[in-house]
Amino acid sequence: DAGVIQSPRHEVTEMGQEVTLRCKPISGHDYLFWYRQTMMRGLELLIYFNNNVPIDDSGMPEDRFSAKMPNASFSTLKIQPSEPRDSAVYFCASSYRGMELFFGEGSRLTVL
Amino acid sequence: AQTVTQSQPEMSVQEAETVTLSCTYDTSESDYYLFWYKQPPSRQMILVIRQEAYKQQNATENRFSVNFQKAAKSFSLKISDSQLGDAAMYFCAYRSAYNNNDMRFGAGTRLTVKP
Repeated sequence: DAGVIQSPRHEVTEMGQEVTLRCKPISGHDYLFWYRQTMMRGLELLIYFNNNVPIDDSGMPEDRFSAKMPNASFSTLKIQPSEPRDSAVYFCASSYRGMELFFGEGSRLTVL
Repeated sequence: AQTVTQSQPEMSVQEAETVTLSCTYDTSESDYYLFWYKQPPSRQMILVIRQEAYKQQNATENRFSVNFQKAAKSFSLKISDSQLGDAAMYFCAYRSAYNNNDMRFGAGTRLTVKP
């Protein structure tokens, strides 16, 4: 079975631009998570969905961040406008009934 | 709030030797799950092993085993017969059994394997 698929793997953009990160969870998983990883703060949970419904977005740093899950097989994390401090690796993960997380390969974002 | 502490930022081991990575956690809950994840240079987080708090028996997965001490709130990972491919960042994680989505990660331990 395919694992969690994220795109793009790498994104370099300029400050002020819109960034959209994409995720396809493992088929049949009912939870989807977005994490951000930085050297300073480690892994931070940004938001998670259960059956496509956002449950907790308290980790989303600012209104510039938004996430959607229009169906069970697709989610996006959008940053608009992007800032240099948003530079990080963004992980998507999915799980079944809240058990262990299966992570994608991450999207490395660099905002210049 | 639950916290996970990995006190060893870096560890190194000789190939074929055994190494133990430490993890402690703080919780007032009685039921929870503990995990070790491996993050190689490829960046993907890979589940290594899982332990249910209600189980007294330590989990084992091939060369990976844990020493789970519930009273001490300790959850160490032992890697036997270390291989070059074991070189990675290792993260300890805690998940509440009452809030399925409250998973907390430690800061990680970077493991180097010397040939």
